[in-house]
Amino acid sequence: DAKTTQPTSMDCAEGRAANLPCNHSTISGNEYVYWYRQIHSQGPQYIIHGLKNNETNEMASLIITEDRKSSTLILPHATLRDTAVYYCIVRVGGATDSWGKLQFGAGTQVVVTP
Amino acid sequence: GAGVSQSPRYKVAKRGQDVALRCDPISGHVSLFWYQQALGQGPEFLTYFQNEAQLDKSGLPSDRFFAERPEGSVSTLKIQRTQQEDSAVYLCASSLIRGLLETQYFGPGTRLLVL
Repeated sequence: DAKTTQPTSMDCAEGRAANLPCNHSTISGNEYVYWYRQIHSQGPQYIIHGLKNNETNEMASLIITEDRKSSTLILPHATLRDTAVYYCIVRVGGATDSWGKLQFGAGTQVVVTP
Repeated sequence: GAGVSQSPRYKVAKRGQDVALRCDPISGHVSLFWYQQALGQGPEFLTYFQNEAQLDKSGLPSDRFFAERPEGSVSTLKIQRTQQEDSAVYLCASSLIRGLLETQYFGPGTRLLVL
């Protein structure tokens, strides 16, 4: 699977948009970009995923560049409860036995401040 | 509805002790995953079940680690003769189907400390 590169940490002011970058320059054509987050002392939580097109749900927006080598997760109005480690993951979308496992990196520690 | 639950939440073991960690997935979920998360690191895949079949155990670090899911629901991760390097959070996740858009739902984890 392709690897991802994320900044180690970033701060964000409450109420402002948080833009979290991720580089995945070796992504393959059948690999999706997934985002999970992990609040302290909890298990990871799914946020959003996409293949080529930009995606939006109630939690966030995902912007994927045309060449698919990078993406940005956008939290439109960050709150204190969004403080967490955010993981960008690429995973195969095919039907192999082990395609479902997630390969987490170190993620980005996001701290939302009042 | 009920999410993935894990027990115990915390476990302290003496080196050499055997431990058993339990995972109750969301009812009806076919797929079940175990991950290990060391302090300050992201989770690392250990093993995967589809119903009762263990289809991937490539992430188990040694033969001291054993996982089972005999009836296709509850799963147990067993660690024999625990070592200090086994100290970590053990996360369980389940998903409804083995499908393209399946989402993994994680439990809160079991924090294991081996002294």
